[in-house]
Amino acid sequence: GQQVMQIPQYQHVQEGEDFTTYCNSSTTLSNIQWYKQRPGGHPVFLIQLVKSGEVKKQKRLTFQFGEAKKNSSLHITATQTTDVGTYFCGTSYDKVIFGPGTSLSVIP
Amino acid sequence: DGGITQSPKYLFRKEGQNVTLSCEQNLNHDAMYWYRQDPGQGLRLIYYSQIVNDFQKGDIAEGYSVSREKKESFPLTVTSAQKNPTAFYLCASSIDRASYNEQFFGPGTRLTVL
Repeated sequence: GQQVMQIPQYQHVQEGEDFTTYCNSSTTLSNIQWYKQRPGGHPVFLIQLVKSGEVKKQKRLTFQFGEAKKNSSLHITATQTTDVGTYFCGTSYDKVIFGPGTSLSVIP
Repeated sequence: DGGITQSPKYLFRKEGQNVTLSCEQNLNHDAMYWYRQDPGQGLRLIYYSQIVNDFQKGDIAEGYSVSREKKESFPLTVTSAQKNPTAFYLCASSIDRASYNEQFFGPGTRLTVL
């Protein structure tokens, strides 16, 4: 079945540094969804990418879908303590298949 | 206030007992999902339902059962056959079964089996 992998599993950054997490698949994806889960909380939808090479921005967050639609990235510029959490990518067919997530820690 | 509710937030049970986790949504969504989350393993799909009175097994359905008698409700029963039931359980819903719909998650139930 369809699977998505994410790297890194964990990332510790100093506040103000940039952060990137990558989502990869061996098969072509119809779409990519990104979710954020704060510690102790539940996943919250951030964005969806559908088109090859698509780039979307939300304030300090930049989301990109690869040209071959097999990978995606989430980049955070100048991290803040509010960015702490686990970031999941997922692809949906008739249900969303999630990657294992990247846990981000921000050191003040 | 629309959303998904799960109760209780924390649940403790003795080994060998069945336990039912509640999930209710007032978003008028057709599709509902149950996930299990363990540390470092992300979200694993247990069961999902795309319409009332119909549901399908996900990746880790063994030891679990569900029902979907009403559109707004999708309870999950963790049976005694589930070998490692202690986990964080998340319920989610989406508008319908179409592939491009975001999922809305409930606050989760943290189950501990003693």
